[in-house]
Amino acid sequence: GESVGLHLPTLSVQEGDNSIINCAYSNSASDYFIWYKQESGKGPQFIIDIRSNMDKRQGQRVTVLLNKTVKHLSLQIAATQPGDSAVYFCAENIYGNKLVFGAGTILRVKS
Amino acid sequence: KAGVTQTPRYLIKTRGQQVTLSCSPISGHRSVSWYQQTPGQGLQFLFEYFSETQRNKGNFPGRFSGRQFSNSRSEMNVSTLELGDSALYLCASSPGQGAYNEQFFGPGTRLTVL
Repeated sequence: GESVGLHLPTLSVQEGDNSIINCAYSNSASDYFIWYKQESGKGPQFIIDIRSNMDKRQGQRVTVLLNKTVKHLSLQIAATQPGDSAVYFCAENIYGNKLVFGAGTILRVKS
Repeated sequence: KAGVTQTPRYLIKTRGQQVTLSCSPISGHRSVSWYQQTPGQGLQFLFEYFSETQRNKGNFPGRFSGRQFSNSRSEMNVSTLELGDSALYLCASSPGQGAYNEQFFGPGTRLTVL
């Protein structure tokens, strides 16, 4: 398959702190990237996206950074809340036709 | 607006059987994509349908097939089930074709093959 991930990395943060979730993508031709959040028992939910002609995009409490030189994407969540606990996936758009997802990162927020 | 619905939510089958999963997209959405999610392989793209035609396909064997109806509802079929087909099958709808459109995911169908 194109996406692997047997053991997901886990990030544990204290409520109120900022979280940074990282993702390395595979294809230098990818021109569109998305972050998704998946809570237990639910499908992935769109958080924020960024096109390759940008290096930063901000949403509500979230910021996505793109470094094309090293093919790296990060999601920053400000003032992390218990409701942010979930699995976070980055996805890259391959030639506009399909999304290839990263393995995912578990975010645990401690109260 | 109602979200993406998938039926059934849970399914148990035995090896060799076939299964059909159903997805109803958000009203007005014409594209439906299917994904398989497993602990070992993560989320993998199966195929996308737009206007009743398969537009893109992932790297899955021919046992995996699908179709889309004129009302944009979609079904996915897996024939000759194998143990490794046990997974969460997710459907996502979007207004237009292709991965540049925001995709809205359903809750998934959990398939267990015994």
